[in-house]
Amino acid sequence: DTQMTQSPPSLSASVGDRVTITCQASQDISKYVNWYQRKSGKAPKLLIYDGSNLQTGVPSRFSGSGSGADFSFTISSLQPEDVATYYCQQHDNFPLTFGGGTTVEIK
Amino acid sequence: EVQLVESGGSVIRPGGSLRLSCAVSGFTFDDYGMSWVRQAPGRGLEWVSGINWNGENTNYADSVKGRFTVSRDNAKNSLYLQMNSLRVEDTAFYHCARGGHKGHYDFLNALFHWGQGTLVTVSS
Repeated sequence: DTQMTQSPPSLSASVGDRVTITCQASQDISKYVNWYQRKSGKAPKLLIYDGSNLQTGVPSRFSGSGSGADFSFTISSLQPEDVATYYCQQHDNFPLTFGGGTTVEIK
Repeated sequence: EVQLVESGGSVIRPGGSLRLSCAVSGFTFDDYGMSWVRQAPGRGLEWVSGINWNGENTNYADSVKGRFTVSRDNAKNSLYLQMNSLRVEDTAFYHCARGGHKGHYDFLNALFHWGQGTLVTVSS
């Protein structure tokens, strides 16, 4: 199985800050990483697919990059509504696997 | 609007069986692969199982292989998860999620839309 190591587990930042989350795969997974947002009490929401593609309707302050085994997710200007837990996920091979999550809070 | 609504969750004793359902609307169901993903209390997301657009191909996490069976009824726009030999560690919210379009690794793909989930509690 492909292990996805996500960091940091949590972070606290101010409104307007740039926030970056990283995900490292245990093997080469090409570009096949997706990023999800999970707000309390709501269904997970896809933000970025195939490494860097912004899902329809998602604000442009969210972005993703990387290939091979190292990936990153950035919120360019943190907003209060971005408080959530974020997960990376690979779909290069079965089983699909997720990172452990990063909880983002406002300082 | 794409909607996925899970049902069938309940409290069940270890060793018991349960069948979850996911009713979908807002898209052509038989054009897409589908998955089940779960989240145990205080834990992260875990992919459980996936199925391709016509039901001919399936895949499972090792933790449920041999105990869970995924299926779909395209005429009813519904996805199912038959859960047998349930264990305490299967306690979680179970979400259905829509994958990619058929012909493009439809269930080896991102999970584009999710349902709110249904809670399965396995406890004696």
